[in-house]
Amino acid sequence: KNQVEQSPQSLIILEGKNCTLQCNYTVSPFSNLRWYKQDTGRGPVSLTIMTFSENTKSNGRYTATLDADTKQSSLHITASQLSDSASYICVVSDYKLSFGAGTTVTVRA
Amino acid sequence: DAGITQSPRYKITETGRQVTLMCHQTWSHSYMFWYRQDLGHGLRLIYYSAAADITDKGEVSDGYVVSRSKTENFPLTLESATRSQTSVYFCASKGGGNTGELFFGEGSRLTVL
Repeated sequence: KNQVEQSPQSLIILEGKNCTLQCNYTVSPFSNLRWYKQDTGRGPVSLTIMTFSENTKSNGRYTATLDADTKQSSLHITASQLSDSASYICVVSDYKLSFGAGTTVTVRA
Repeated sequence: DAGITQSPRYKITETGRQVTLMCHQTWSHSYMFWYRQDLGHGLRLIYYSAAADITDKGEVSDGYVVSRSKTENFPLTLESATRSQTSVYFCASKGGGNTGELFFGEGSRLTVL
C-alpha cells in the first residue's frame, strides 16, 4: 500500500508563474519529510528536509510546508524558471523511507 | 572525486544473463541503498545495508543479490536477468541519524531483452 500520495501527477506552468505541489502521507510514526528534485536522466537531489517540529523550510525559490497534524506537505515554487522542469518527489521517513510517485513539472517559455 | 558513482550507466543484456551494477561512495556513509524506478511507481527499495557485511532485503528483493565487503562499495547483482528487471537503478548513501542527508547516484539504466 502506498503511504505517500502526491498530486497532481503532472502540471504545466508558464515561466515566471508560481505553483504548488501536494504530498499526503499516512506513514506513522513520523520522523521527517523530504522533498527531492529529479531532472530527466539524473538522480534525485535533496531540496529540503523537515522534522516534526518544523512547519516551513525554504531553499531559494522552493518553499516546503508541513502540517504534521493533517499529514500534509506542500512544495511551492516561486517565479518558475525553465530549469525547474523536473520531477519532484516527496519522501516520508519513520524508520525507513517511503517514496511518493512524484509530480512532473513542465515550465514553458 | 567525492560523491557517489554508479557503473555502468547503461547496460543491455539478455534474459538469463548475470548482471552486476556497481556503486561506490567516498563519504564513508554507513547506510547504502539500491532502488529501482519504473514509470508510474515511486522509487522502490531493493536492498539496503547499514554497515559493511550487514545487508537486508527491501520490498522488491526477489531476483537480486547484494554484498558489502567494504564500506564504500555496494554492488547489486541480478543472478539471472528477466525482462521485468528492465528498469533504472539508483544507488544511494546516507549519513547517520534520521535526518542524515540521502545522496543518490546518477542511475544505471538496464534493459533486459
